[in-house]
Amino acid sequence: GEDVEQSLFLSVREGDSSVINCTYTDSSSTYLYWYKQEPGAGLQLLTYIFSNMDMKQDQRLTVLLNKKDKHLSLRIADTQTGDSAIYFCAFSRNAGNMLTFGGGTRLMVKP
Amino acid sequence: DAGVIQSPRHEVTEMGQEVTLRCKPISGHDYLFWYRQTMMRGLELLIYFNNNVPIDDSGMPEDRFSAKMPNASFSTLKIQPSEPRDSAVYFCASSVKNEQYFGPGTRLTVT
Repeated sequence: GEDVEQSLFLSVREGDSSVINCTYTDSSSTYLYWYKQEPGAGLQLLTYIFSNMDMKQDQRLTVLLNKKDKHLSLRIADTQTGDSAIYFCAFSRNAGNMLTFGGGTRLMVKP
Repeated sequence: DAGVIQSPRHEVTEMGQEVTLRCKPISGHDYLFWYRQTMMRGLELLIYFNNNVPIDDSGMPEDRFSAKMPNASFSTLKIQPSEPRDSAVYFCASSVKNEQYFGPGTRLTVT
């Protein structure tokens, strides 16, 4: 969506860290999400962060939020070939409410 | 929990035919969303319901599209008559509080 921007493509080597970035324009965003989509599948909710948080860590995933710059990032540590997919960031203003999605970043992990 | 269930997974139809897509949300979820995904336009929200009531249908492309949610466990998206430009993957999602979960999608091809 035009309110959420992501780079189209990222390529990393297996074992390296991946950092996927997202910028958004709506300062009233309350919840910010990361979804993963593998070929032929639906979107899988990976993690999300509430706007009053700066960071959230969940196993190999780290989400960083810079509210001043309206920048959200997802870091995947020790990236594996199974992490190859399209990653979408999204935001909503209210719990349970509609999500606005970015265009997705295709992550390719080379062995 | 079986997750969000969609049927059919694939649908091929001829232009002018009626198409009905079906969705069973996760039990206990009070929001239901219909999305469309294409290469050109990305992920678009078509309509969403709260407690079976349509809340926002501004994303429905035109009057050929209609959606219903007769009860908490079932929703349909109907296209009548279908056109080739309706070819896309249609996702249903359901949510409770701030977590939205997607179904596997229905790939629609209109020839």
